[in-house]
Amino acid sequence: RKEVEQDPGPFNVPEGATVAFNCTYSNSASQSFFWYRQDCRKEPKLLMSVYSSGNEDGRFTAQLNRASQYISLLIRDSKLSDSATYLCVVNHGGSNYKLTFGKGTLLTVNP
Amino acid sequence: GAGVSQSPSNKVTEKGKDVELRCDPISGHTALYWYRQSLGQGLEFLIYFQGNSAPDKSGLPSDRFSAERTGGSVSTLTIQRTQQEDSAVYLCASSLAGGLDTQYFGPGTRLTVL
Repeated sequence: RKEVEQDPGPFNVPEGATVAFNCTYSNSASQSFFWYRQDCRKEPKLLMSVYSSGNEDGRFTAQLNRASQYISLLIRDSKLSDSATYLCVVNHGGSNYKLTFGKGTLLTVNP
Repeated sequence: GAGVSQSPSNKVTEKGKDVELRCDPISGHTALYWYRQSLGQGLEFLIYFQGNSAPDKSGLPSDRFSAERTGGSVSTLTIQRTQQEDSAVYLCASSLAGGLDTQYFGPGTRLTVL
């Protein structure tokens, strides 16, 4: 089982749609979880951290289920500018600095 | 303020040649990371520098790869005797104090080995 697995997509949705991405991780020692966003041919940028209680930042909601080793990202009222690849990121094997990145899920929001 | 910068942005080289990739982290950031992103793959950790501590080189794929960080700032990733499978985007990131502080990525160097 890969350390971080994501549905690669692509997800094609109309503006205003709600879209959800899922991610699973294999190492139960992992304690820190993030979603990064990567635009085409650009560098990754932190979108949000994921906390045990779940957290929200505007239209974005992240959830963590430790028992199932599952992380999700929900985007509400999607905008054209949300089109990007979304990377699920987990600290590697409980390391306090090394991150493991998923391959990403490609989202295209259409007008 | 200035972000992480990397040079060159693109590098095309012939198999067997050596290449040097440079990273300038954000001023004041003590931690620096190198990653590799091959086509269709996730980011792969290569090496981590934190202050004056010994670097974590556990992600370097072979002894052809090495990295230095001089004066706690600029870093150079060197690939000797390049192979076609080394073709990838090499990304550098820095963070304020290491650990799980937010990592800020540079734009990357796209390396193509012919």
